[in-house]
Amino acid sequence: AQTVTQSQPEMSVQEAETVTLSCTYDTSENNYYLFWYKQPPSRQMILVIRQEAYKQQNATENRFSVNFQKAAKSFSLKISDSQLGDTAMYFCAFGASGSRLTFGEGTQLTVNP
Amino acid sequence: GAVVSQHPSWVICKSGTSVKIECRSLDFQATTMFWYRQFPKQSLMLMATSNEGSKATYEQGVEKDKFLINHASLTLSTLTVTSAHPEDSSFYICSATRASPLAYEQYFGPGTRLTVT
Repeated sequence: AQTVTQSQPEMSVQEAETVTLSCTYDTSENNYYLFWYKQPPSRQMILVIRQEAYKQQNATENRFSVNFQKAAKSFSLKISDSQLGDTAMYFCAFGASGSRLTFGEGTQLTVNP
Repeated sequence: GAVVSQHPSWVICKSGTSVKIECRSLDFQATTMFWYRQFPKQSLMLMATSNEGSKATYEQGVEKDKFLINHASLTLSTLTVTSAHPEDSSFYICSATRASPLAYEQYFGPGTRLTVT
């Protein structure tokens, strides 16, 4: 079975600064996918970024980028130029065959003005 | 594209009654639909996985007779909470996958807040 661990229950950052959220996972699968989802106060799950494990290049989406270390089973999310609208709960998720997702416990990020 | 809706967004029911939550894929045919439960400040817990025309697969510890899932078409899945009790109060989220592109990606509905009084 897969496990996903987010060791930072809460984090805060000043507006316009950079913050990194940590995620580690454990699996015996070789082909899998990793995701970061954002859940704002509305509670709608929003995909932030995805990474295919077979790709060595780290995924980027505008201000969001990941540091994917496959051997270390680490998948951190970096948010640059933080904005007030980035305040949300962030979930790291693992997906393999069958499209089932395993979520981490979440990190509540607060961006301060 | 890939929009998933849920109805209702918020429902209050009395203890002992049943309540049905609908999950629809609006602009695609869903190969698989998932139902999650989320308590405040906690992560999403998978309750069951369903495919059109098949019986749902429930996660360990989830009562299949209490949480009835019907996946009657490629765009609609329903979750019925039978004989609801206050401890069933929670936020229920559905998601769906499609055949292509990105068959592994789940698209989430906006969630349904259930309050049992």
